[in-house]
Amino acid sequence: DVKVTQSSRYLVKRTGEKVFLECVQDMDHENMFWYRQDPGLGLRLIYFSYDVKMKEKGDIPEGYSVSREKKERFSLILESASTNQTSMYLCASSLIQNEKLFFGSGTQLSVL
Amino acid sequence: SQKIEQNSEALNIQEGKTATLTCNYTNYSPAYLQWYRQDPGRGPVFLLLIRENEKEKRKERLKVTFDTTLKQSLFHITASQPADSATYLCALDGDSNYQLIWGAGTKLIIKP
Repeated sequence: DVKVTQSSRYLVKRTGEKVFLECVQDMDHENMFWYRQDPGLGLRLIYFSYDVKMKEKGDIPEGYSVSREKKERFSLILESASTNQTSMYLCASSLIQNEKLFFGSGTQLSVL
Repeated sequence: SQKIEQNSEALNIQEGKTATLTCNYTNYSPAYLQWYRQDPGRGPVFLLLIRENEKEKRKERLKVTFDTTLKQSLFHITASQPADSATYLCALDGDSNYQLIWGAGTKLIIKP
């Protein structure tokens, strides 16, 4: 069974903390994505990567950075967490660009 | 820019009936459109992808249609079951590579 694993299901952090969200996929996919999902809104793309050490900004990259040192791992970093970054964070991977994305279970992040 | 509209109100359907969900878009016709299922607190799961030159696609009890004239995709679940209760998201390719535009989803409730 193909799998995208996110390191935490729930996370509570304080304002100003540096937060690391980890994502690992076992499908040898080139493409990986970080989205955030807020109630009543569609998924919004934060960053994506189409190859190791490559990264591209999505629609809402401000306040975030990413790292992709190995093909299977894509990390999202909140440099200094703020309350408006409280959200569900979803990692995904795909074989072909934006087609048939496989998602992790998500990390519900609360910033207090 | 492209926008997607899905019914924000929950759809209540009696078990055994056909559930039909709508996804409307506003501007150019996308090259393809995708449907995903999302259960509470989980990541979306890919269901079907339909391309612009395809009118209809089926997978078991699922059927998707794509009408580029109406700028609409319909997602049908026949012989619906309570286990089909979930939020269903549609997504289509955006203005640039690697960008998907997501609807906010429609919550489907199948009543026994």
